[in-house]
Amino acid sequence: SQQGEEDPQALSIQEGENATMNCSYKTSINNLQWYRQNSGRGLVHLILIRSNEREKHSGRLRVTLDTSKKSSSLLITASRAADTASYFCAGGGQYTGGFKTIFGAGTRLFVKA
Amino acid sequence: DTEVTQTPKHLVMGMTNKKSLKCEQHMGHRAMYWYKQKAKKPPELMFVYSYEKLSINESVPSRFSPECPNSSLLNLHLHALQPEDSALYLCASSYGRDDKNIQYFGAGTRLSVL
Repeated sequence: SQQGEEDPQALSIQEGENATMNCSYKTSINNLQWYRQNSGRGLVHLILIRSNEREKHSGRLRVTLDTSKKSSSLLITASRAADTASYFCAGGGQYTGGFKTIFGAGTRLFVKA
Repeated sequence: DTEVTQTPKHLVMGMTNKKSLKCEQHMGHRAMYWYKQKAKKPPELMFVYSYEKLSINESVPSRFSPECPNSSLLNLHLHALQPEDSALYLCASSYGRDDKNIQYFGAGTRLSVL
């Protein structure tokens, strides 16, 4: 019962290039978050955008949200080898049973030095 | 302290064993979560505790039994697991739910069921 689908599934770029990941979701959300996961470890929260916001920045991260298309994108500028990880979008909203955050399928990013 | 601590880091158990996973946070968070994650897949929500009460059970088999003894601790009791239950089990906590649901994750327990 995944909320979101992410595109692309895997992305390989050179250090210094920008990386763009897209996420689509199916139901109404209160907010959308992006998390990063290094191989086999816990997830780290990157950024949260509320449903009434369209764009948000944090350092080298830029997130957009289009609620009419039920989609979001994460842009990482000037990528570094240390950005190599899996990136997940997660939609937070009211579902059967209460408020939940449901994760998308994820994008695996490889940044080559 | 923004840390969620999970123990053990690795666990190997037979199908007849009983074991427990432990999760601890001292951030004053009132919501705690268990997720299951298979390789190359996203985390799947299993349970949510809010103010020490179970608020969401995502139709998880009864061989997984959660417990929240106090606001800082979350346990997951395991009994008669199947090999397909082998996965990374992640604990998370958040200040609240709704718009305060930024989750802090532990490093996980990698479980192998033989």
